[in-house]
Amino acid sequence: EVQLVESGGGLVKPGGSLRLSCAASGFTFSSYTMNWVRQAPGKGLEWVSSISGNSTYKFYADSMKGRFTISRDNVKNSLYLQMNSLRAEDTAVYYCARAGGVGLNRAFEIWGQGTMVTVSS
Amino acid sequence: DIVMTQTPLSLSVTPGQPASISCKSSQSLLHSGGKTFLYWYLQKPGQPPQLLIYEVSNRFSGVPDRFSGSGSGTDFTLKISRVEAEDVGIYYCMQTIQVPLTFGGGTKVQIK
Repeated sequence: EVQLVESGGGLVKPGGSLRLSCAASGFTFSSYTMNWVRQAPGKGLEWVSSISGNSTYKFYADSMKGRFTISRDNVKNSLYLQMNSLRAEDTAVYYCARAGGVGLNRAFEIWGQGTMVTVSS
Repeated sequence: DIVMTQTPLSLSVTPGQPASISCKSSQSLLHSGGKTFLYWYLQKPGQPPQLLIYEVSNRFSGVPDRFSGSGSGTDFTLKISRVEAEDVGIYYCMQTIQVPLTFGGGTKVQIK
């Protein structure tokens, strides 16, 4: 079964850091572009970042550039999001999503259940 | 950035009746390679989003044929031919032709 399971969310103070993980199973992880999407409480979906299968290409939303770093380990079948200098507006459920193939243009076919990040003092 | 505008914001539909959601992009989503990178997702209450339609009009695996997508360039439509109770949730369109990838604001579909 194709599955994505996020972890690492929690409560963090403004200015703090957090590292999210997404464990993938049921497919050849290295063959797919992977993505992070977030959803603030009661709000819509916001794309965060994408990474190509071999980590050559990484893209970020402007508000996350310089603060967030996406990475992956194709041996461990895992996707990561290192989040630094966190702000209250980063409070959201963070979803890991698998694209439909290797390109950035592909649909987000498979989604995890999400992990909640709360930034508050 | 490409702005995705969805209308209406919400929709209340009698079971068995049709429903239609519009999504307009601020720039064409037609790629030089011929594909149009417009997608539709449904987020049911308490669940992550799920892919319904890819590249304007292609139903994803397992999606009922009462869902259909159409459009071109900057104007797109998702139609549900006969709404069922399980179709409630928030529908989002999304473009992937240009970074940053952007979603529409969402359309909430409820049952009357």
